[in-house]
Amino acid sequence: DAGVTQSPTHLIKTRGQHVTLRCSPISGHKSVSWYQQVLGQGPQFIFQYYEKEERGRGNFPDRFSARQFPNYSSELNVNALLLGDSALYLCASSLGFRDRDRGYTFGSGTRLTVV
Amino acid sequence: ILNVEQSPQSLHVQEGDSTNFTCSFPSSNFYALHWYRWETAKSPEALFVMTLNGDEKKKGRISATLNTKEGYSYLYIKGSQPEDSATYLCAFFNAGKSTFGDGTTLTVKP
Repeated sequence: DAGVTQSPTHLIKTRGQHVTLRCSPISGHKSVSWYQQVLGQGPQFIFQYYEKEERGRGNFPDRFSARQFPNYSSELNVNALLLGDSALYLCASSLGFRDRDRGYTFGSGTRLTVV
Repeated sequence: ILNVEQSPQSLHVQEGDSTNFTCSFPSSNFYALHWYRWETAKSPEALFVMTLNGDEKKKGRISATLNTKEGYSYLYIKGSQPEDSATYLCAFFNAGKSTFGDGTTLTVKP
C-alpha cells in the first residue's frame, strides 16, 4: 500500500511568488491535515480538510489556502511568498475527521525555500 | 494560542539507560493526545493515541501515561537502544485543531 505522498520534495521560490504543494492520502483516508515545520520547532497546524470541506484552521494569514478534491487528495497554496515561509510542509492523512483511536500518517514533506 | 510544552528539549543517554519525557498541555477541552517518533530524514511515526484520563499504553520498551485533569503525559523508554535516537513529539487535540510541542530529541550512545 502506498503511504502518504507529497510533491514536490524540494522547491525553491522567489519572494512574492506563488506555490502549490500537493498531497495524496493513504487509500481510504478521507481527511488531510497540513502542517508547517520550522527547524527546532514542532509542526504548526495550518488546515484540516475532511470530505472536501475545511474542518479546522490554524493561525496563518489569508495568503495560505487549501482545498481537497473528490479523490481526497489536497493542495496547499501560498501566495505572495515571504522569506519566513521557508519551512518543511507536512501532510498528514487520517481515516476520519475525529480519529480518537488512530494516529495520523505523515508524508515525507515538501521542503520550501524562499529566496 | 494553546501552550503545549515538552521537556527536556534534548537528552543524551547511554545504551541501556531508561529515560522519560514530559508533555504538558491545557487541562480543558481535551480531546486526544498523540505521541510521535520522528527520525532524521523520515516522516513522523505515530506511537500512541491517548484519549482517556488514566490511559496507559505500551509498545515494546516504550510506554506512555496520561493525566488529563492536570494536563500532562509521560513517555517512558526502558533500556534505551541507539535505534531509539529520534525526536519525540506530542500533539494535543481539541475540537478542530491540533497543537504540537517542540519535541524532545533523544540521543542514545552505544
